[in-house]
Amino acid sequence: GNSVTQMEGPVTLSEEAFLTINCTYTATGYPSLFWYVQYPGEGLQLLLKATKADDKGSNKGFEATYRKETTSFHLEKGSVQVSDSAVYFCALSGGNTPLVFGKGTRLSVIA
Amino acid sequence: EPEVTQTPSHQVTQMGQEVILRCVPISNHLYFYWYRQILGQKVEFLVSFYNNEISEKSEIFDDQFSVERPDGSNFTLKIRSTKLEDSAMYFCASSGALLGYGYTFGSGTRLTVV
Repeated sequence: GNSVTQMEGPVTLSEEAFLTINCTYTATGYPSLFWYVQYPGEGLQLLLKATKADDKGSNKGFEATYRKETTSFHLEKGSVQVSDSAVYFCALSGGNTPLVFGKGTRLSVIA
Repeated sequence: EPEVTQTPSHQVTQMGQEVILRCVPISNHLYFYWYRQILGQKVEFLVSFYNNEISEKSEIFDDQFSVERPDGSNFTLKIRSTKLEDSAMYFCASSGALLGYGYTFGSGTRLTVV
């Protein structure tokens, strides 16, 4: 079945540091890939998405590229801010199956 | 921007009681979902609903759970006899299509069973 594996957290970075959160997936066919963010005390918000190989999703300075050859969708940001502190979830949707989430990676950014 | 609305935001119930969690999906969306997140753990799929019937459900969604779209706007999750392990954040989501668009999630209902 479809599954998502993302790096274990927590990740703690200083402000303006470079962020990478790794995500790899297993799926049949050609899934769509997503990153969701959950700020403290809030629900899940779609951060970015990519629907086919080599697509790059981007939003709020975050970006991720759909790499079919490595089955990866790593999240990156060049310069993190304190306000980026949140839990980040990689997810996929394949065929007519519901969205499947990774376990989430908690990011803490310190000033 | 359209939102998915969930009520209540927090519910405390006694073990064995029935609870109904309510959701108002985005009006022109066709697919509806419930997920849950036990504190500190992953977000787990419970059930999907399309065309007034369940289209898929997980192993978690056993006979104690049911869903309903009673009036064309609300989408409810009923837990018949709550257990301590049902304590979690429950998220409703809706989508305009199956593929590629992602889901819009509500802000969740935190259910605490005591």
